[in-house]
Amino acid sequence: DTEVTQTPKHLVMGMTNKKSLKCEQHMGHRAMYWYKQKAKKPPELMFVYSYEKLSINESVPSRFSPECPNSSLLNLHLHALQPEDSALYLCASSQGDSNTYEQYFGPGTRLTVT
Amino acid sequence: AQKVTQAQTEISVVEKEDVTLDCVYETRDTTYYLFWYKQPPSGELVFLIRRNSFDEQNEISGRYSWNFQKSTSSFNFTITASQVVDSAVYFCALSAPSYDKVIFGPGTSLSVIP
Repeated sequence: DTEVTQTPKHLVMGMTNKKSLKCEQHMGHRAMYWYKQKAKKPPELMFVYSYEKLSINESVPSRFSPECPNSSLLNLHLHALQPEDSALYLCASSQGDSNTYEQYFGPGTRLTVT
Repeated sequence: AQKVTQAQTEISVVEKEDVTLDCVYETRDTTYYLFWYKQPPSGELVFLIRRNSFDEQNEISGRYSWNFQKSTSSFNFTITASQVVDSAVYFCALSAPSYDKVIFGPGTSLSVIP
């Protein structure tokens, strides 16, 4: 089963709201990723968790806060976002903790900040 | 510096035509990995292939084939007898043990017209 699930599929939030994106994988993968993707652009890496520890933060603003409660779950907490944060947020996982492994992506959460 | 170039921004073909998507990469590493991902309109990136730098054998998987040529730093992707379901954005990507993240190309948007 090569499935990564993400909820919600769509999210509209105001700039003062707090919301969370959720991601789950049951492939036993040890690395999980958050990407942000703007229209007609490739995904941009935000965070990497390796063995449930944050290993990479690509200088993401603190209004995005990741959390990895266990090896299967990854959350992204959102607070005081800006309209320019509207994008598709993709979660991915890979077998090993090196980026030389292929990544399996979820369907994404399409976020609109109003 | 590491870089992936996909010179074709958009391609349109008529169903059943063959189409080749170009990918040229730059790296100073001798050990590296190349990937292709497909992103249909639904948004989920789908892993297609992973190739390491020591394996220059071409690969065929059904209607898909990949041509890896280290001499020209290219990893091109051909779809034979294209179908409407092949319509998507295709990303070529590069990684190496020394990188902290995968380098994605800008993507090629393929439209297959019935």
